[in-house]
Amino acid sequence: EAGVAQSPRYKIIEKRQSVAFWCNPISGHATLYWYQQILGQGPKLLIQFQNNGVVDDSQLPKDRFSAERLKGVDSTLKIQPAKLEDSAVYLCASSPGGVGANVLTFGAGSRLTVL
Amino acid sequence: QKEVEQDPGPLSVPEGAIVSLNCTYSNSAFQYFMWYRQYSRKGPELLMYTYSSGNKEDGRFTAQVDKSSKYISLFIRDSQPSDSATYLCAMSEQAAGNKLTFGGGTRVLVKP
Repeated sequence: EAGVAQSPRYKIIEKRQSVAFWCNPISGHATLYWYQQILGQGPKLLIQFQNNGVVDDSQLPKDRFSAERLKGVDSTLKIQPAKLEDSAVYLCASSPGGVGANVLTFGAGSRLTVL
Repeated sequence: QKEVEQDPGPLSVPEGAIVSLNCTYSNSAFQYFMWYRQYSRKGPELLMYTYSSGNKEDGRFTAQVDKSSKYISLFIRDSQPSDSATYLCAMSEQAAGNKLTFGGGTRVLVKP
């Protein structure tokens, strides 16, 4: 089974610029997550989708971050404008519905450096 | 105080030794406990998944959960250099539809 695909793997931008990350989950997985992992820390959930609806976006900085999951398959996470503290790895994960819903499969991540 | 605490390490052990990792947590509603392994520049991958208190063994890996003490552990027997990675504990209140809360991770280095 193909894994979770993410792109780009690396991105360097200046502060106040914008950036977008793309994620394609495992086929058939209903739930998609975006996590932010700052160097030396554990992943922190930004947003969780169930199909194309938002389940939890309580920790998403909505003044600068946005995410969508059109048609309930792939997803895009956008940051505009970026701040220095947004430098992190953005991890996308997916999980099946029902039994095993807590078992997440992660992508390799998109590493963002904001200068 | 963080909801899930984990010693960042690094933890350095000789090849063949037992690696002992642990996490403490404050939310008594957590019922599902996981350990993820993360190699450098890779995403986390699930190692162990347990529900409530007790032990679970899978090959060289043993996970223990003590809900009364709000303490979970992961033991790696006969450690190998390929076990060198960051180990993240994660917890959830429900089986589905609920976010995972991660610890900060412990970096492990197994020396040949």
